Parts: sequence; C-alpha cells; structure tokens
Amino acid sequence: DAKTTQPPSMDCAEGRAANLPCNHSTISGNEYVYWYRQIHSQGPQYIIHGLKNNETNEMASLIITEDRKSSTLILPHATLRDTAVYYCIVSPRGNAGNMLTFGGGTRLMVKP
Amino acid sequence: EAQVTQNPRYLITVTGKKLTVTCSQNMNHEYMSWYRQDPGLGLRQIYYSMNVEVTDKGDVPEGYKVSRKEKRNFPLILESPSPNQTSLYFCASSLSAGGWADTQYFGPGTRLTVL
Repeated sequence: DAKTTQPPSMDCAEGRAANLPCNHSTISGNEYVYWYRQIHSQGPQYIIHGLKNNETNEMASLIITEDRKSSTLILPHATLRDTAVYYCIVSPRGNAGNMLTFGGGTRLMVKP
Repeated sequence: EAQVTQNPRYLITVTGKKLTVTCSQNMNHEYMSWYRQDPGLGLRQIYYSMNVEVTDKGDVPEGYKVSRKEKRNFPLILESPSPNQTSLYFCASSLSAGGWADTQYFGPGTRLTVL
C-alpha cells in the first residue's frame, strides 16, 4: 500500500472550514484514497473516499489533485465534536483482507 | 440500528487465563476483522474473515484465535493471554471483501489489560 504523510496536528476555529492535507506521492492507479477519523479511543469512523474525482457527502468533501499525489479533506463548518484524529489511507480495490493501514494521522483540535 | 457490538468493553485479567472477546454485527456483512491499537503503532490487523468458516491471519496473529461459525459473530480468543496483549481491540465489518469501495464499520472497542 502507498504510504501517506499527514501533519501530526492542526487547530481550527469552531464554525470555520477545516482543511486536512494528505500526501500520497507513491499512489498507484488502482488505489483509492480513504479518510477515517477516531474520536478519543472510540472505533474509527468512515468519512469519505475517492479515486480521481472530488467527492462530497454529508460529512465532508474530498479534493484529490489531478496527479493524485495529494488530497485534502474539508470539513466545511467544524464543530467541537469534530475534534479527533483523522487518518488518510490509500489502498487498492481487491485488497486482500480488506486491511486498513492506519498511519499517524492528524490530530485536529477544534477550538471555540 | 446498524452496528457492531463488542463485549466486554473493559477487561482486566491475569496471565494465562483464557478469555474471549465477542463481536457481533447486525448488517449481514460478509467481512469481519479484528484490530489492535497500541500507542505509536496505529491499528494493526490480527485476523479477518471473508465469510462463514473462512478466516485468515492479518499482520499480528500470534497469540490469538478466531472462529466464524455464523455470519454475524466473530469472537476473538486469547488462549493464554500475556501482558504484551494489553491493548485496545476493535472489531470491524464490511459488506464484502475484495471490493475495496466497501467501507468498514468499527465496534466501540475493548480495552484489555493483562497483568
């Protein structure tokens, strides 16, 4: 699986957009970009995923650069409950075992 | 409500005393797996199951056993727990394996301490 690089921590003001970057410069053509988050020792929670095109759902937007070497997760109006560790993961379709390889992630602190 | 449940949520035990952590999902998912999470090491997969009676080792299977006799349940068995198995354990499930577009749903976690 391609390795990802994320900043270890970020702060965001409540109500503002949180933009979380992820570098995956060695991503292969068949690898998807996934984002999960983990709120203090709870089970990780799926947020969004994409292959090439930008994606949006009720939780967030995912912007993938044209060369697919990096992406940004956008939480449009961050709330205090969005304080969590955010993980960017890349993995191919048909990944044997469906194993998720979580790196260090970005610890997002949303402040009032 | 669609969910993955684990029991117990917290467990303190002693070395060598066999224990089982149960995992159950009510979403009719084919795929289930177990992870452990340790500080600085992220989540590491222990075992996974692609369907009933089909299980395979993940990254760190030593000291663990699993079984998948029915679709909804995937218990994790520690035959002779040791202190290095002190960790936070998560069970996860997804609709199927292999189609990576399937998202994984995680249980709430089981914090195990082995003295």
